[in-house]
Amino acid sequence: QSALTQPASVSGSPGQSITISCTGTSSDVGSYNLVSWYQQHPGKAPKLMIYEGSKRPSGVSNRFSGSKSGNTASLTISGLQAEDEADYYCCSYAGSSSYVFGGGTKLNDL
Amino acid sequence: QVQLVQSGAEVKKPGASVKVSCKASGYTFTSYGISWVRQAPGQGLEWMGWISAYNGNTNYAQKLQGRVTMTTDTSTSTAYMELRSLRSDDTAVYYCARLVVGAIDYWGQGTLVTVSS
Repeated sequence: QSALTQPASVSGSPGQSITISCTGTSSDVGSYNLVSWYQQHPGKAPKLMIYEGSKRPSGVSNRFSGSKSGNTASLTISGLQAEDEADYYCCSYAGSSSYVFGGGTKLNDL
Repeated sequence: QVQLVQSGAEVKKPGASVKVSCKASGYTFTSYGISWVRQAPGQGLEWMGWISAYNGNTNYAQKLQGRVTMTTDTSTSTAYMELRSLRSDDTAVYYCARLVVGAIDYWGQGTLVTVSS
């Protein structure tokens, strides 16, 4: 499968909100409510932030929210904080027990 | 607490094979799948495949079919990923991770595999 499409970078300032998009196809994002989002700081393993499109694991701040419309999923971070500066990856179930990641988005300028 | 502890860094020559281990603890190993994800230097995450720790069923990414094998040892709660015919573009950090329905909820610390002559 082809990787999901994410913007290479987004910028924000402390206190603002940003949205990262993740565009797939009708064979992955559009067909399943199984999009997840991961945060990765340099040199660290990724961390699950959103699963099943909009659900937050225990311990993840409610400043993080997810949604989906058609073939595009989105991650919104409100009330930006310095520690939110990281890379963000979306991932979708693509059928037949397979998954596909997005190319990643660097959130910077915080 | 759930932990996935991976084996140490490896340096391999082109054409060789590497086998990375991932020891799980803190949960019932056979109740979840294990996914393998890799990340080349400065690049994004790439899904490699997954294995059911319950019955050993596997599904591999198409681009790795024929070169990768994922296995588990339920007696030691350990998962393994073997990659053969290594090339320079296989140089990456390899992660094992616990797979729940539609997401990966716990990750290992990563294992750097360097392929260089």
